[in-house]
Amino acid sequence: QKEVEQNSGPLSVPEGAIASLNCTYSDRVSQSFFWYRQYSGKSPELIMSIYSNGDKEDGRFTAQLNKASQYVSLLIRDSQPSDSATYLCAVNGGETSGSRLTFGEGTQLTVNP
Amino acid sequence: GAGVSQSPSNKVTEKGKDVELRCDPISGHTALYWYRQSLGQGLEFLIYFQGNSAPDKSGLPSDRFSAERTGGSVSTLTIQRTQQEDSAVYLCASSLGGPLNSPLHFGNGTRLTVT
Repeated sequence: QKEVEQNSGPLSVPEGAIASLNCTYSDRVSQSFFWYRQYSGKSPELIMSIYSNGDKEDGRFTAQLNKASQYVSLLIRDSQPSDSATYLCAVNGGETSGSRLTFGEGTQLTVNP
Repeated sequence: GAGVSQSPSNKVTEKGKDVELRCDPISGHTALYWYRQSLGQGLEFLIYFQGNSAPDKSGLPSDRFSAERTGGSVSTLTIQRTQQEDSAVYLCASSLGGPLNSPLHFGNGTRLTVT
């Protein structure tokens, strides 16, 4: 079982819709959860971090964490073509990962004008 | 500089040669990470340095790979006797503090091609 798994893409949504990106992790004691955005040919950049159960909102982005289900998601409201990128879920602080940040393989999102 | 700096940006080498990749983290950042990303794939952890602690080398794929960090700042990733499967983008990242709540800032990467 992979340590961090993301729903396979690509995901395509129309402009203005809500994009929902999902991630599960295997290490139950993981403590920190991040979403990174990576444009084609560029390096990842952090867009959201979440550490406790529940929702965290930042502008059009909402991260949701459910530690009991070992599940973290990212919602993008009012999706824009500029949101088209690969979104990487990252987890650390567990027994397996310890100090390192483990990334999923990413979900490619395309927002169609 | 303002961000993480990596050099070279591109490196083409012949199979069997050794290569050195350099990373200059953001000033004051105590943590430094190396990841590898193959085309269309996620980020594969290689090694992590935190301050003066022993590095976490658990992600290095073979003994041909090694890394050091001098003076708590610049890091060099060395790949000996390169193989074609080593071809990838090598990303360096740094963070201000501990790994649990400090975001990673990535450099632009070094694209390594082994012919």
